[in-house]
Amino acid sequence: DAKTTQPPSMDCAEGRAANLPCNHSTISGNEYVYWYRQIHSQGPQYIIHGLKNNETNEMASLIITEDRKSSTLILPHATLRDTAVYYCIVRAQGGSEKLVFGKGTKLTVNP
Amino acid sequence: ETGVTQTPRHLVMGMTNKKSLKCEQHLGHNAMYWYKQSAKKPLELMFVYNFKEQTENNSVPSRFSPECPNSSHLFLHLHTLQPEDSALYLCASRGESGTDTQYFGPGTRLTVL
Repeated sequence: DAKTTQPPSMDCAEGRAANLPCNHSTISGNEYVYWYRQIHSQGPQYIIHGLKNNETNEMASLIITEDRKSSTLILPHATLRDTAVYYCIVRAQGGSEKLVFGKGTKLTVNP
Repeated sequence: ETGVTQTPRHLVMGMTNKKSLKCEQHLGHNAMYWYKQSAKKPLELMFVYNFKEQTENNSVPSRFSPECPNSSHLFLHLHTLQPEDSALYLCASRGESGTDTQYFGPGTRLTVL
């Protein structure tokens, strides 16, 4: 699975959009981009995933660049409850069972 | 709520105790996983079950013994653990092949004294 690079931490004001970047310059054509988050001492929570088209669900939007070498997770109106560590994971469907969580981005939403 | 429940949420045990962690998924999934998350370390995959059969064991010590009686339930039996086994133990499940999204339970915080 391709390696990802994320900033270690970010801050965001409550009510504003949080834009979390992820670089995955070695991504292969059959690899998807997944986003999970983990609130302190809880299980990781699936957010969204995509292959090459932009995706949106009730939690967030995922913007993938045309060359697929980077992506951005957008939380449109961040709340205090969105404070968590956000993980960007790249993996091929049907590949290894193991989800490789890197260090992620610690997002702090401030009042 | 993700549809994956774990009990107990917190467990304190001595090194000579025997205890079990339970995971139940209400999603109709066929694959279930045990992960371990130690303090300030990334998740470590321990075991994988597909259709009740163990398909992956990542060199986990025998003091951890998994059991999967059916596709909805997964247990982790613990025996003679060490203090370094203290961690957050996470269960996850995945649906049909063709989708790789894993859904995690809330975890069991285990402390071994």
